[in-house]
Amino acid sequence: EVQVLESGGGLVQPGGSLRLSCTASGFTFSSFAMNWVRQAPGKGLEWVSIISGGGGNTYYADSVKGRFTISRDNSEDTLYLQMNSLTAEDTAIYYCAKGSSLWSGYFDSWGQGTLVTVSS
Amino acid sequence: IQMTQSPSSLSASVGDRVTITCRASQSIANYLNWYQQRPGKAPELLIFTASSLQTGAPSRFSGSGSGTDFTLTISSLQPEDFAIYYCQQGYSIPWTFGRGTKVEIK
Repeated sequence: EVQVLESGGGLVQPGGSLRLSCTASGFTFSSFAMNWVRQAPGKGLEWVSIISGGGGNTYYADSVKGRFTISRDNSEDTLYLQMNSLTAEDTAIYYCAKGSSLWSGYFDSWGQGTLVTVSS
Repeated sequence: IQMTQSPSSLSASVGDRVTITCRASQSIANYLNWYQQRPGKAPELLIFTASSLQTGAPSRFSGSGSGTDFTLTISSLQPEDFAIYYCQQGYSIPWTFGRGTKVEIK
């Protein structure tokens, strides 16, 4: 069974940093692109970032470019999101979402999400 | 690419046929996907590439369209279908979502 499980969320002060992790199981991790998608409280879905299966290609939403870094460790089946210079607008549930192939535009499995709250 | 969903919400009864539309600001061929999000839960993929039913999704869900105009149809609404539905374009980065359609019980 395909599973992805996020961790690392919590309360952080404005300007602070946080690293999210997503551990995967039930599939060949390195064969699939992985994404982060977030959802602010009571709001819709916002795609944040994607990394290709091999890790060589990454893209970001303009709202996080230059502040967030996506990475992966295929030997540990783990996806990461390093978040720096956090602001209140980054408060959201962050979902890890599996792509359907090495590089794809849809998300066929999602984790349960981890809540990031940016507040003083 | 901007994705516009309509309506933003609707009320329907169990057994009703429900249609949700999604319009892209430019042609996205058939790179359109639909997700269902139940309250307090993560989204789940229903339909990918406009009309392909995701494994495990009920056959009462169907999708159609190409270019800029797409629809999601629920042929006979069931109690577990009351949720928010999002369309998403997978044509070009940044991937973008519609603002969602909330399906409520009449």
